Amino acid sequence: NAGVTQTPKFQVLKTGQSMTLQCAQDMNHNSMYWYRQDPGMGLRLIYYSASEGTTDKGEVPNGYNVSRLNKREFSLRLESAAPSQTSVYFCASRTANSPLHFGNGTRLTVT
Amino acid sequence: EDQVTQSPEALRLQEGESSSLNCSYTVSGLRGLFWYRQDPGKGPEFLFTLYSAGEEKEKERLKATLTKKESFLHITAPKPEDSATYLCAVQDLTGANNLFFGTGTRLTVIP
Repeated sequence: NAGVTQTPKFQVLKTGQSMTLQCAQDMNHNSMYWYRQDPGMGLRLIYYSASEGTTDKGEVPNGYNVSRLNKREFSLRLESAAPSQTSVYFCASRTANSPLHFGNGTRLTVT
Repeated sequence: EDQVTQSPEALRLQEGESSSLNCSYTVSGLRGLFWYRQDPGKGPEFLFTLYSAGEEKEKERLKATLTKKESFLHITAPKPEDSATYLCAVQDLTGANNLFFGTGTRLTVIP
């Protein structure tokens, strides 16, 4: 039982390049989330999907787009990467009234 | 706006030296307070959920308590394997789809 799986684990981009971070969960959870974690700051919500077919903005959505591909998969896309998007990105999932289950993150550096 | 403040930022303990981590929070109405453990290079791992003042939860050497303004994570006779960053998060009654995270306490237990 893998839980929440994120790919890739590491990525280096140049400013202006695009990429998609992938996330998949095998726990049959309805809700999925994308967070970023920066030094000295708490985890901040970028986007979430409360259920298949819906997505909503979180605290820091600018510069990102998401796709809930099906119940298992939730991807995060950076269309034109900027150095300010250097961060560790975590995907999480849960059902109603359950805690968040996190993946192990994607470490992204934008130069 | 919901706020979560954790203290201290970092804590070094000798093996067996008990201590407490603090999480102060401000929310319009508390749906739940969560404690997570995060090891380097990994995603947060769920420890406890507390819902109402006076509630306590225990797991091995850890005990979490909750008042109307703060939560404590008590660590009794810690071992080196308890070394990690401990994160606190709150979910309010209105923002059911988001958790607000503190910046964490980095705990080091020295053998």
